[in-house]
Amino acid sequence: GQQVMQIPQYQHVQEGEDFTTYCNSSTTLSNIQWYKQRPGGHPVFLIQLVKSGEVKKQKRLTFQFGEAKKNSSLHITATQTTDVGTYFCAGYLYTGNQFYFGTGTSLTVIP
Amino acid sequence: ETGVTQSPTHLIKTRGQQVTLRCSSQSGHNTVSWYQQALGQGPQFIFQYYREEENGRGNFPPRFSGLQFPNYSSELNVNALELDDSALYLCASSLVLAVGIEEQFFGPGTRLTVL
Repeated sequence: GQQVMQIPQYQHVQEGEDFTTYCNSSTTLSNIQWYKQRPGGHPVFLIQLVKSGEVKKQKRLTFQFGEAKKNSSLHITATQTTDVGTYFCAGYLYTGNQFYFGTGTSLTVIP
Repeated sequence: ETGVTQSPTHLIKTRGQQVTLRCSSQSGHNTVSWYQQALGQGPQFIFQYYREEENGRGNFPPRFSGLQFPNYSSELNVNALELDDSALYLCASSLVLAVGIEEQFFGPGTRLTVL
C-alpha cells in the first residue's frame, strides 16, 4: 500500500546549525503539505506544495517538491530553540481523497 | 488557536465498548477529516467528510464510522473497542475549493485509552 517515509527519524542540532528532513512517497502525489507538531500539541500547517519542482520559502524555512512529485524536503537555516518539534509531511492523493502522513522527524535544538 | 474544538479531552473505555468523539469545525469550512495518532507516530487518516457525505476513507475497519452535520460539526464513532484503538484522535477542518483542498486546521485532539 501507499507509504510515506521520512528521514531522519530524530535529529539533534546545536542552535544555529541547519536542519533538513526528507519525505519519500511510494507513489506520485497530487500535492504535499508540511506540518509541525510541538510535544503535547496538535499538527500545525506550515505550507502546501502543488507543482512539480516547486520551491517555497518562509523566512528560514525552505520547502521543495520533487520533479516526480514523489519526494519533498524541508530545510531550516540557522535553527532556533523555537524550531523544536516533530515535522510531518502529508501527501495528498486526489483519487480517493486520501492523506498520508509521513513518519515524522523529531527535531531537538541544543542551546 | 485554530477555531477547531474537540470533546472530550480525555476518555477511558474498556474493550468491547463503544465511543463517540465530537469535533466542531472552523467557521466556513466544508470538510472535516479524522485521524488516529498512536504515540510516537504520524497521524493515520481515518476518513473525510465533505458536505455531510463520506468523501474518502483510509485503511480502517467499518467499526470506525462518522457523521458530519449541517452546521459542519462532526462525530467519530468507534464500536467494539480494542486495546490498539488507544491513541490520540484528531479532527481537522478545511475548505475544499474547485482547485483542491486547502490547509487543514487541527483540533487539540481526544486522548482515548482502552483498558
